[in-house]
Amino acid sequence: DTEVTQTPKHLVMGMTNKKSLKCEQHMGHRAMYWYKQKAKKPPELMFVYSYEKLSINESVPSRFSPECPNSSLLNLHLHALQPEDSALYLCASSQVGETEAFFGQGTRLTVV
Amino acid sequence: AQSVTQLGSHVSVSEGALVLLRCNYSSSVPPYLFWYVQYPNQGLQLLLKYTSAATLVKGINGFEAEFKKSETSFHLTKPSAHMSDAAEYFCAVSENFNKFYFGSGTKLNVKP
Repeated sequence: DTEVTQTPKHLVMGMTNKKSLKCEQHMGHRAMYWYKQKAKKPPELMFVYSYEKLSINESVPSRFSPECPNSSLLNLHLHALQPEDSALYLCASSQVGETEAFFGQGTRLTVV
Repeated sequence: AQSVTQLGSHVSVSEGALVLLRCNYSSSVPPYLFWYVQYPNQGLQLLLKYTSAATLVKGINGFEAEFKKSETSFHLTKPSAHMSDAAEYFCAVSENFNKFYFGSGTKLNVKP
């Protein structure tokens, strides 16, 4: 199994809503990532977890809250988002210290 | 600091023609370099990677790239374009595998 699975594929939420994005992998990877990709732009790193601990936070606003409950799961909790947060959110995983990251297909988020 | 620059946001080639997508990198240490492909509304798929072994790297779908330290380049090539190659291509650099920095992307159009 070389897949990173993200749910949901599409999400529309209001600015007062609370929602969560989920990411799952069963490749035994101990590093997991959240990226944000705006239209016609490259992915931008948000968070990195290594061995279930947050190792990198790229100065992301607190309305985005990551969580890594176990080595296979990564969540991104969303609260009080703004319309400019609308984007494709990509999850990725890799072995710690290994060379490549495997990406999921993303969650297309629209904030209204 | 590390970064990549992709020259040409759009490249158009005829089916059967040579594909050349340009990437130049900036890194204070020997970098690890990657090419990813993204189809519409999809995640990113690794095409190939350079990790300080052979300077000519072969990837999937007939793509290859050559690492040229003197030119700080890692251009992606394919001898003969296929319609299915139409997608967006991202060059990425990583110094420590925990953080991947992506170029701005090149959209490849293949004409029949």
